[in-house]
Formats: sequence, structure tokens, C-alpha cells
Amino acid sequence: KAGVTQTPRYLIKTRGQQVTLSCSPISGHRSVSWYQQTPGQGLQFLFEYFSETQRNKGNFPGRFSGRQFSNSRSEMNVSTLELGDSALYLCASSDGKQSTDTQYFGPGTRLTVL
Amino acid sequence: AQTVTQSQPEMSVQEAETVTLSCTYDTSESDYYLFWYKQPPSRQMILVIRQEAYKQQNATENRFSVNFQKAAKSFSLKISDSQLGDAAMYFCALVGKIQGAQKLVFGQGTRLTINP
Repeated sequence: KAGVTQTPRYLIKTRGQQVTLSCSPISGHRSVSWYQQTPGQGLQFLFEYFSETQRNKGNFPGRFSGRQFSNSRSEMNVSTLELGDSALYLCASSDGKQSTDTQYFGPGTRLTVL
Repeated sequence: AQTVTQSQPEMSVQEAETVTLSCTYDTSESDYYLFWYKQPPSRQMILVIRQEAYKQQNATENRFSVNFQKAAKSFSLKISDSQLGDAAMYFCALVGKIQGAQKLVFGQGTRLTINP
């Protein structure tokens, strides 16, 4: 099976802009989770989607949003970008039937905000 | 709240030797799973090993094994016969068995260097 894919791999934006990141899960997986990785805060959970519904959400401002399509592909949107949003954004997919299902990660999207 | 602590920001080991990475955690859940993930310079997070809390037997995966001490809330990773390709950031992670709530909680990571 193909792994989790994320596009684009690299993005450079300026403050105030918005950005959309995409994640395609492993075939058959219905859960997609998003994480933000920064040197200072480490890996932090953003949100999880399962069958097109947000099932769980981390402690991020409303500027961070997401959605999931019927084919389980997910997008994450960040509006009004701030310098502190510069990070590696990782998505992970899993079967999603249990909270403890193993999550498989994509290669990440490196976002730089100038 | 669930927390994961990795007290060793960096570790190094000679090639072919054994190294142990430490992880402690805290959770109020009675049933949970623990994971070790590896993140090499390519940044792709790769699952190394997982442990189900209700299983007393320590998980093993080839050269990788864990020492799971549930009462002490400790979950260390042992890498035997270290290879150059093992060089990476290693993250310990926890997820509680809450219905419909997939949310990994990660430690801060340990950077492992393999010396040839």
C-alpha cells in the first residue's frame, strides 16, 4: 500500500496570508490526524477527522481549521498567518475504529512564515 | 491530563553497542497504548514499536525492545547492535483508550547519534 502523502512539501508565506495543506491517507484508513511540530513546543495535536467529521480537537486558535472529504483525504487551513505558525505540519492516518489504532505519518509540510 | 517526559535530550552510542532511551508518562486512563516513533533527518515519522498497557509482556521488534514498567509509569526503548541508520530523533508517545478520541501525546524527543 502507498503511504501517507502530504502536499506541498514546502511552503513559504507571509504574515496575514492563508494556507491550505493537503493529506492523503493510506488506502482504507478513515481517520486523519494533524500535528504541529516546532523546536520550542515539540509535537502538538491539532485535530482529528473521521468519516468527514471532526472527532477531536487540540488547543489551537480558530485560525486553524480542517476538513475531510468522502475519500478520506483531508485539508488543513491556517488563516491570517503569524510568524509563530512556522512549523512542520504532520498528518497521520489510521483505521480509526479505536483511539489506540496505530497512526502512520506522512513526510510533513514545512511551512515558513515571513 | 496525559503527559510524556523524555529526560534525555541527546544520547550517543558506538556502532554495534546497545543504548537505552528513557520515557516516563502520566495518565489517569486504565487502558492505554504506548509507542516509540523514530524521526530521521528526512523528517518522516516512523513507528518503531508499540506496547499495549494491559499486556505485561514487553514488546520486541527485531533489534528494538521495550522495558515497560506499568506501576512506575516507565517505558524505555532498548536498541541492540546499533546501526548508523538508527541515528534519528526518537519520540515516546501515549494514547488513551478513549472511544473515538485519537490523540497522541508526545514527549520532547531524544536525539540519538551513532558513532562509527
